[in-house]
Amino acid sequence: QAVLTQPSSLSASPGASASLTCTLRSDINVGTSRIYWYQQKPGSPPQYLLRYKSDSDKQQGSGVPSRFSGSKDASANAGILVISGLQSEDEGDYYCMIWHNSASVFGGGTKLTVL
Amino acid sequence: DVQLVESGGALVQPGGSLRLSCEASGFTFSGYWMSWVRQGPGKGLEWLADISEDGSERNSGDSVKGRFTISRDNAKKSLYLQMNSLRVEDTAVYYCARSSGFNLWGQGTVVTVSA
Repeated sequence: QAVLTQPSSLSASPGASASLTCTLRSDINVGTSRIYWYQQKPGSPPQYLLRYKSDSDKQQGSGVPSRFSGSKDASANAGILVISGLQSEDEGDYYCMIWHNSASVFGGGTKLTVL
Repeated sequence: DVQLVESGGALVQPGGSLRLSCEASGFTFSGYWMSWVRQGPGKGLEWLADISEDGSERNSGDSVKGRFTISRDNAKKSLYLQMNSLRVEDTAVYYCARSSGFNLWGQGTVVTVSA
């Protein structure tokens, strides 16, 4: 089982909200994990969006709009990236990452389509 | 400007070697852990290795352990990745990134392993 699992694709409408999930392997507790999120557009390197562990331990990337936010679903052992007020420019690939056993581990990525 | 610039990517035959470089500017390079991350064609992000601020600690992923070596020269503000015994599956864009949550990435350098 992969350390981090992300749905391969997600579609949402302009102006709506999208929730991108990052499910941690069952032996890794989401409650104690800092989850990082990145956006990547074709032909460009990833861009750091934010880090979320809790409402008191979070960080927004420089210049990242506040409509990008992080949360967790403890019952699903998952981190969530919420994008509100979707815009066409939000289309791209989104990756989550955690630090686990002295290694940085990325999820497989979710391709977000805004249509 | 705060930036990372990779170089050294090339076409190389299977079994060959290559050394990638990453030059940092605009920030105190010696104050950060640094990493290499790659992305195969049409694939997700894969963390490869990281190195501590002074080079005394290193971690690497299972897929490159024993073949790739990360190093740095703080006087030159440079990060390196020595890649040996290259395989076709090592074909990818190779990024260097600042390990503090990967909040800074280079543009990447392309490595193609093919006969």
